[in-house]
Amino acid sequence: SYELTQPPSVSVSPGQTARITCSGDAFPKKYGYWYQQKSGQAPVLVIYEDSKRPSGIPERFSGSSSGTVATLTISGAQVEDEADYYCYSTDSSGNHRGVFGGGTKLTVL
Amino acid sequence: EVQLVESGGGLVQPGGSLRLSCAASGFTFRSHWMHWVRQAPGKGLVWVSRINSDESNISYADSVKGRFTISRDNAKNTLYLQMNSLRVEDTAVYYCTRGLSGTAIDYWGQGTLVTVSA
Repeated sequence: SYELTQPPSVSVSPGQTARITCSGDAFPKKYGYWYQQKSGQAPVLVIYEDSKRPSGIPERFSGSSSGTVATLTISGAQVEDEADYYCYSTDSSGNHRGVFGGGTKLTVL
Repeated sequence: EVQLVESGGGLVQPGGSLRLSCAASGFTFRSHWMHWVRQAPGKGLVWVSRINSDESNISYADSVKGRFTISRDNAKNTLYLQMNSLRVEDTAVYYCTRGLSGTAIDYWGQGTLVTVSA
């Protein structure tokens, strides 16, 4: 089955740039999406279609995709950005089944 | 404001059945694909199933195929997940989510907890 691979954890100091990667063979053909999940809360969409930011999401969140890797970048990370981040895409089968990465715990301290 | 409110979770024995519902409001329900996503305690997100607007295009994760059935009632703005032959490993918070451009997801409900235990 199709898999998306993320690092388990990333740690930065406040004000630094955090980069979270997501590897998947289908990325050249499929869009990547990113969700933020804070402790005890439902996930929130922060990036869609590789690099678009929904309304209400701070400009410090950005996304990119190159080859088989999608990347979420948080420029000037803040303490409130500490959360689990999940990438999402769909497989290349005709069924377009959804797939999440394993998640990355971002620590900002 | 988009709202997705799940209900129907609870404690069930292995082999049992449960039906989850999701009441949608704040958007044109019949125009959107819908998905179910689950999260086991302390674990990551797992995509479960999706359904298109008129129920003609449905897909399931391998782990639930043949046991779970997704459906919708556009007149009632409600999404369903019928879960049969439940296993201990189905224990999770189940999220109702709205489709974005079909196969992706934008909005999430708060989730309903399903516990499968003897």
